[in-house]
Amino acid sequence: EAGVAQSPRYKIIEKRQSVAFWCNPISGHATLYWYQQILGQGPKLLIQFQNNGVVDDSQLPKDRFSAERLKGVDSTLKIQPAKLEDSAVYLCASSPGRVNEQFFGPGTRLTVL
Amino acid sequence: KQEVTQIPAALSVPEGENLVLNCSFTDSAIYNLQWFRQDPGKGLTSLLLIQSSQREQTSGRLNASLDKSSGRSTLYIAASQPGDSATYLCAVLSGGGADGLTFGKGTHLIIQP
Repeated sequence: EAGVAQSPRYKIIEKRQSVAFWCNPISGHATLYWYQQILGQGPKLLIQFQNNGVVDDSQLPKDRFSAERLKGVDSTLKIQPAKLEDSAVYLCASSPGRVNEQFFGPGTRLTVL
Repeated sequence: KQEVTQIPAALSVPEGENLVLNCSFTDSAIYNLQWFRQDPGKGLTSLLLIQSSQREQTSGRLNASLDKSSGRSTLYIAASQPGDSATYLCAVLSGGGADGLTFGKGTHLIIQP
């Protein structure tokens, strides 16, 4: 069974530029999550989707971050404009449902200069 | 608001020793608890999932216990090997599953050959 796929693996941008990350969850998984992991910290939830609907985005900085999950499969997370403090690893995870085991992708390491 | 604490933050032991990593959480109303392993520059690998109704789970040399009423979990690693060197993260699922996982900051483990 294929795992969670993410791209790109690494991205370096200047502050105020925009960037987008892509995630393809495990086939059949209804729930998809985006987490942000700052160096030395545990991951923090940004947004949770159930199929193509948003369950929780209370910790998403909506003035600069946006996310969508079209057709309830792939998802894209966008940052516009980026700030220095957005430098982090962005992890995508999926699970069969909201109270099931979560499986994580390899992450995208973002550096904002 | 759920908070997760992991002790110790770092641990270095000789190969072959048995060791225990600790995790505590503030709100006992959880659905499940997951232990993850994270290698440098990589995503999270799920090691063990304990449902709230369970007391422990075992996989190979790993054993995780859960005491929900006291808000504690331990990860026991038997006969440690250099390949076990990684950061170990504890995470709990609470809030009706709508909050995603709440993570600790992790224990950075080094096994000396």
